[in-house]
Amino acid sequence: NAGVTQTPKFQVLKTGQSMTLQCAQDMNHNSMYWYRQDPGMGLRLIYYSASEGTTDKGEVPNGYNVSRLNKREFSLRLESAAPSQTSVYFCAGTGQFADEQFFGPGTRLTVL
Amino acid sequence: DAKTTQPPSMDCAEGRAANLPCNHSTISGNEYVYWYRQIHSQGPQYIIHGLKNNETNEMASLIITEDRKSSTLILPHATLRDTAVYYCIVRVWIGSFQKLVFGTGTRLLVSP
Repeated sequence: NAGVTQTPKFQVLKTGQSMTLQCAQDMNHNSMYWYRQDPGMGLRLIYYSASEGTTDKGEVPNGYNVSRLNKREFSLRLESAAPSQTSVYFCAGTGQFADEQFFGPGTRLTVL
Repeated sequence: DAKTTQPPSMDCAEGRAANLPCNHSTISGNEYVYWYRQIHSQGPQYIIHGLKNNETNEMASLIITEDRKSSTLILPHATLRDTAVYYCIVRVWIGSFQKLVFGTGTRLLVSP
């Protein structure tokens, strides 16, 4: 039982490049989330998926897209990376009536 | 916008109780208070949550004031491994969906 996993762990991009951050969970979570964390800051919600087949914008969705591929997987795509998207990205999941969000280990992204 | 206010940093001696305060004066009647911590930029880890009653688990105790405008997380016997950033969070409703709203947290340093 790996919980919530994220790939890659580290990534360096050049401005304008695209990439997809992958997240998978084996805890049968209904809801999944993508957050970003900038230095010295708390986590900010980018997108979330309340259930399989649905996605919604969070606080800071601009420049990102998401796909809830199935119940296990929730990916985050940067179509044209910008230096302002340099951050640590965390994926999380929770069940419909669960009281706790489980977080992945994070992806550290640098955009040059 | 974060609905909580925390001191940016606190110190505690190893073996002593760590009492971390949090103000959430605009909390609504059906919104829970959650505490998470983050060690070395890992994914946040759930600690405890509550609505209006005091709560205790194997990690910590949560004391919520009667008016629910503030709360205190208590680590009864702090260890060096409790050094982390502690986030006091209000879980808010978006329609029928709930999300966590992170603030900037309190950096707790436990010293020998």
